[in-house]
Amino acid sequence: AQTVTQSQPEMSVQEAETVTLSCTYDTSENNYYLFWYKQPPSRQMILVIRQEAYKQQNATENRFSVNFQKAAKSFSLKISDSQLGDTAMYFCASDSGGSNYKLTFGKGTLLTVNP
Amino acid sequence: DGGITQSPKYLFRKEGQNVTLSCEQNLNHDAMYWYRQDPGQGLRLIYYSQIVNDFQKGDIAEGYSVSREKKESFPLTVTSAQKNPTAFYLCASSIVPDIYGYTFGSGTRLTVV
Repeated sequence: AQTVTQSQPEMSVQEAETVTLSCTYDTSENNYYLFWYKQPPSRQMILVIRQEAYKQQNATENRFSVNFQKAAKSFSLKISDSQLGDTAMYFCASDSGGSNYKLTFGKGTLLTVNP
Repeated sequence: DGGITQSPKYLFRKEGQNVTLSCEQNLNHDAMYWYRQDPGQGLRLIYYSQIVNDFQKGDIAEGYSVSREKKESFPLTVTSAQKNPTAFYLCASSIVPDIYGYTFGSGTRLTVV
């Protein structure tokens, strides 16, 4: 079974600073997709960023970027210039690849941005 | 506007009752999913469907049932066989393959009373 591991249950950062959330995954597929989702206190799941495994270039979306290390099966999220609105639970997810399309999620990292 | 709607937002169930959670999407997505969220457990897959009239069990399907009679709808029934149903339930949809990830509903909080 596919697994996604987020080793940091909780993290905190000062406003305007940079923070990195870790994620490792396990898959036997060569082509797959990776995602970071944000869940604020409203509990609405919001897609933050996606990475295609066959692309070596790391994905970026404004203040959010990833460090994708395919050989190490590592997919960390970097948030630059942290804002109070970034306070949320962050989930890493991996597509199963092959023909059985479904996402496996990690247990999440609760990020608190302090003023 | 296209989106995915879950109802109700809050649901209370008595012991021994079956309850059905609604999920409707107007995004023309082929695939739909049900996840359960518990504190410290992340999201766990209950059932998913990639085409009308077909669905597959996820990792924690016991005590749940689904149907997919229409492309737009994927209701989840929590049966009395589910011994610990109190949780937050999330429905999602996607194109196939899910290369752009999921669109999620706003969730249903189910509480056993």
